[in-house]
Amino acid sequence: EVQLLESGGGLVQPGGSLRLSCAASGFTFSSYAMSWVRQAPGKGLEWVSAISGSGGSTYYADSVKGRFTISRDNSKNTLYLQMNSLRAEDTAVYYCAKENYDFCHLGMDVWGQGTTVTVSS
Amino acid sequence: QSVLTQPPSASGTPGQRVTISCSGSSSNIGSNTVNWYQQLPGTAPKLLIYSNNQRPSGVPDRFSGSKSGTSASLAISGLQSEDEADYYCAAWDDSLNGGVFGGGTKLTVL
Repeated sequence: EVQLLESGGGLVQPGGSLRLSCAASGFTFSSYAMSWVRQAPGKGLEWVSAISGSGGSTYYADSVKGRFTISRDNSKNTLYLQMNSLRAEDTAVYYCAKENYDFCHLGMDVWGQGTTVTVSS
Repeated sequence: QSVLTQPPSASGTPGQRVTISCSGSSSNIGSNTVNWYQQLPGTAPKLLIYSNNQRPSGVPDRFSGSKSGTSASLAISGLQSEDEADYYCAAWDDSLNGGVFGGGTKLTVL
């Protein structure tokens, strides 16, 4: 069964850091680009970051550029999102998602259940 | 304010056909394919349409997508109560070098 399982969310103070992980199973992880998408409480979807299958290309939304770093370990079938200098506006459910090709086009056919990040003092 | 523009709400009665629009620009919809998602309350989004008009396996053919210029549409025919959900369009944006979503459309089945 194709599955994505996020972890690492929690409560963090403004200015703090958090690392999200997304464990993939059931497909050839290195063959597909991956993305992080977030959803603030009561709001719509916001694309956050993406990475190619090899990890050689990374992309970021302007709202997180310079603060967040996406990476992947294809030997462990795991996607990461390192989040630094967190702000209240980063509070959201964070989803990892698999692109259906090895390039980023926002066609994400598998999603995790989401992990909640709350930035508050 | 979202880069892609969707109506905030839409509605229809069971059996009816409804369409949801998504307006963008030359750097996103105009030069890349459009994808559509359905999100039921409290759940992760589900891919409904990819590459403008392709349905993933398991998605009923009541759902269809189209694109023309810098706009796209999602059509739902034979509306059912279980179609009540939020719908989002999404595309890559070459100017931003990143992904963009529409603001979402809440579909109500009357």
